[in-house]
Amino acid sequence: DAGVTQSPTHLIKTRGQQVTLRCSPKSGHDTVSWYQQALGQGPQFIFQYYEEEERQRGNFPDRFSGHQFPNYSSELNVNALLLGDSALYLCASSFRFRTDTQYFGPGTRLTVL
Amino acid sequence: KNEVEQSPQNLTAQEGEFITINCSYSVGISALHWLQQHPGGGIVSLFMLSSGKKKHGRLIATINIQEKHSSLHITASHPRDSAVYICAVIKSYNTDKLIFGTGTRLQVFP
Repeated sequence: DAGVTQSPTHLIKTRGQQVTLRCSPKSGHDTVSWYQQALGQGPQFIFQYYEEEERQRGNFPDRFSGHQFPNYSSELNVNALLLGDSALYLCASSFRFRTDTQYFGPGTRLTVL
Repeated sequence: KNEVEQSPQNLTAQEGEFITINCSYSVGISALHWLQQHPGGGIVSLFMLSSGKKKHGRLIATINIQEKHSSLHITASHPRDSAVYICAVIKSYNTDKLIFGTGTRLQVFP
């Protein structure tokens, strides 16, 4: 079992660009949650996808959008990148949006210059 | 004010020392997680607690629901325990997401 995988591991973009991050959930999981972790901070909830729909959303602007595919994998898109978007983006998967058994991926480190 | 607060923010210890990391929260919760994050980012769940105490190897986690407080203890600490330890709660009325503390960075020296 590969667990939760994310790609790419590192990414460098410039202000104003757009970025797409990808997540494959653990086998058997159908829910994907995305978190943003700024340096020295705890992760902040961005949104959660289940059955290809956004179930919940944290306090993030519309520049942050996502998608879930029929195979339960997910993408996080960020438009019009700002310097403040530089962070580690974590994906977590679970079954039926249960938070007691959330498994985290290794993260994608995004640097915006 | 953050709903989940951890202390200390940074902690250094000599190998073999007993370590305590504290977590306080201000909301009603259904459960609390202790997580470990190594350099590079990956997060591993250590414990999920809703009451009492849990032990796994040299790690012990306790929670006091009335006082809204939890502690993570590491006995006989080792340099490989060096990591960021994060407390996260599941709110009682919104069980679908985790609310994280800012983490405690632990360094254990030989």
